Amino acid sequence: AQTVTQSQPEMSVQEAETVTLSCTYDTSENNYYLFWYKQPPSRQMILVIRQEAYKQQNATENRFSVNFQKAAKSFSLKISDSQLGDTAMYFCAFAYSSASKIIFGSGTRLSIRP
Amino acid sequence: GAGVSQTPSNKVTEKGKYVELRCDPISGHTALYWYRQSLGQGPEFLIYFQGTGAADDSGLPNDRFFAVRPEGSVSTLKIQRTERGDSAVYLCASSIPGQGVSNQPQHFGDGTRLSIL
Repeated sequence: AQTVTQSQPEMSVQEAETVTLSCTYDTSENNYYLFWYKQPPSRQMILVIRQEAYKQQNATENRFSVNFQKAAKSFSLKISDSQLGDTAMYFCAFAYSSASKIIFGSGTRLSIRP
Repeated sequence: GAGVSQTPSNKVTEKGKYVELRCDPISGHTALYWYRQSLGQGPEFLIYFQGTGAADDSGLPNDRFFAVRPEGSVSTLKIQRTERGDSAVYLCASSIPGQGVSNQPQHFGDGTRLSIL
C-alpha cells in the first residue's frame, strides 16, 4: 500500500524566514504525482504545488519550491520569505497518474510569527 | 467563478440517526470525490464518481455509507445509523476529465463538519 509520511507535526518560524517541510512516501510504481496542499482554518484544501514523478526538474510556484528526490522517495516543500498568510496546515499527498484517489499525509501545522 | 459548494457547513445529530451531506461540484467537472478528515489527520478517500457512476468506492468504511450522483452533477453522501466515530469533516472535490485523473487538480469545497452526539 502507498503511504505518505510527514514527520513534523508542527513548525514555527519568523515572518520573512525560509522554512522547509519534510515528506517521504512509499510506492513501488514509477509513474505518479506528488502534491502539497494548504488547509487554512476555513477548511478548504488549496493546491500549492504539484510534481510529476517523471520530471527531474523541481517544481516551483513563486515563493514555493520542492526538493524532489525520487530515489530517496522524498518530497520536501520550501517556503521562501514566509508571510503571515502562510499559516495553515500543510499536507503532502500522492496519487497515481491514472488513479482516482489522492493519499494524504497526516499534515504539518505551520505557524508564521510576526 | 463558483467553487465546490458543500451543505450544510455543520451538522450535529444524535447517534443512530441518518444524515445526508450534499456536494455541488464546479460546473463542467465530471469527476467528483468524497474524502473524510478526522481531527488531526489528513483526508482519507471515500469514493470517486466519473459522471453518474461510482468508479471507485474502495474507501467507503462499511455498508452504512453510501453515495449517489444521479444526474452527474450534485452528489449526496448518505450515512445510516450514525456512530460517534463517524464524526469528522467530510470534504468533496471535483475535477475536469483528463488523461489520468491525477493530471487534473482536484478542487475542494469547505467541507461539512459532522458531529455525532
